[in-house]
Amino acid sequence: DAKTTQPPSMDCAEGRAANLPCNHSTISGNEYVYWYRQIHSQGPQYIIHGLKNNETNEMASLIITEDRKSSTLILPHATLRDTAVYYCIVRVATGNYGQNFVFGPGTRLSVLP
Amino acid sequence: SAVISQKPSRDICQRGTSLTIQCQVDSQVTMMFWYRQQPGQSLTLIATANQGSEATYESGFVIDKFPISRPNLTFSTLTVSNLSPEDSSIYLCSVQGTGELFFGEGSRLTVL
Repeated sequence: DAKTTQPPSMDCAEGRAANLPCNHSTISGNEYVYWYRQIHSQGPQYIIHGLKNNETNEMASLIITEDRKSSTLILPHATLRDTAVYYCIVRVATGNYGQNFVFGPGTRLSVLP
Repeated sequence: SAVISQKPSRDICQRGTSLTIQCQVDSQVTMMFWYRQQPGQSLTLIATANQGSEATYESGFVIDKFPISRPNLTFSTLTVSNLSPEDSSIYLCSVQGTGELFFGEGSRLTVL
């Protein structure tokens, strides 16, 4: 079972920041938080991951709370092409990657014009 | 990042037949993973394919139904055997990077 809880759907206006929340209250000290997205009919795309510090890359920012029980993925200026299902995953850093990446239902983000 | 190519991208098959999906990676990787995504659902791991050994299947998936080959470090195939309409899904190949998983574009199978 997935170790994360996400809202099933969210809307965001084009050009505004999209803030996608994720709860992972049972996260362990050695588990990372990963975000993927899946645009319709495509394979999942890696976005970002972090352990406890906030992270930023060219796609998004990841904000992890101090107690690590929740996180937020931020798309700073959402475009229509960001419409997708976003998956928040927690996993240990070692072991079988396939078994450790457990995909839940995710959040369906709709960016509206 | 790894570039993963899957063939076919989509296919329509008759029940009782089989379909073999190919996955080619542009670099050598130790483990490759096969996932299934049923309509409207999330991804489910089918098996882990290591080069030179038999694939390891997850609960609910068996080798007779989903035979996997892994002849070298850049290639794998997944066969879906004795097709039924319930096998209609997207099948995805994946490899691990330095800390993440990379996915192919998937193979969409429709069984009539």
